[in-house]
Amino acid sequence: AQKITQTQPGMFVQEKEAVTLDCTYDTSDQSYGLFWYKQPSSGEMIFLIYQGSYDEQNATEGRYSLNFQKARKSANLVISASQLGDSAMYFCAMKENAGGTSYGKLTFGQGTILTVHP
Amino acid sequence: GAGVSQSPSNKVTEKGKDVELRCDPISGHTALYWYRQSLGQGLEFLIYFQGNSAPDKSGLPSDRFSAERTGGSVSTLTIQRTQQEDSAVYLCATEGWATQNEQFFGPGTRLTVL
Repeated sequence: AQKITQTQPGMFVQEKEAVTLDCTYDTSDQSYGLFWYKQPSSGEMIFLIYQGSYDEQNATEGRYSLNFQKARKSANLVISASQLGDSAMYFCAMKENAGGTSYGKLTFGQGTILTVHP
Repeated sequence: GAGVSQSPSNKVTEKGKDVELRCDPISGHTALYWYRQSLGQGLEFLIYFQGNSAPDKSGLPSDRFSAERTGGSVSTLTIQRTQQEDSAVYLCATEGWATQNEQFFGPGTRLTVL
């Protein structure tokens, strides 16, 4: 079974609109972390946001917020006020047994290509 | 520079040759990861080093792949007898105590096996 599922291969959004990128995960661990990375066409991996499984509040970083629904095992990324520079591939990832101070490998979803139209 | 660096940025090799890919971590980062990104397999974990602990090699696809990290700093990923299916972008990421829960990625090495 896939540990991280991103069901949207591609998404389109109008500039200045908000967009939600979906991510569901599967783990039996109680302690884990969820991440979103952005990969522009240049290929670099840019960290966007992190949510710990014990965090009660949804994480926010500027225009990025993570809609964490633990019972549904979903960790959707919301980008507000989209900009042309947001066009990129977006990856959801999970680190299991991540107690907030633990190192560990990331398991990635297949990614969603976001295109922002002017 | 302050970021993770990788060399070479591009490598073209012939099937059957050995290749070495290098990763220079951010200074002080004790955790170092190798991932591979290919069209067919997406982003997949290969191997992980943390301090003096034994590396987690659970993601290495075959015994042709190996990696070492000398002195807790630079890491080298070696692929022996390369095959065409090894063609991919190999990404290195590092993580430090002060910045846990953020893995900083290098620019990657694009490997093409002819």
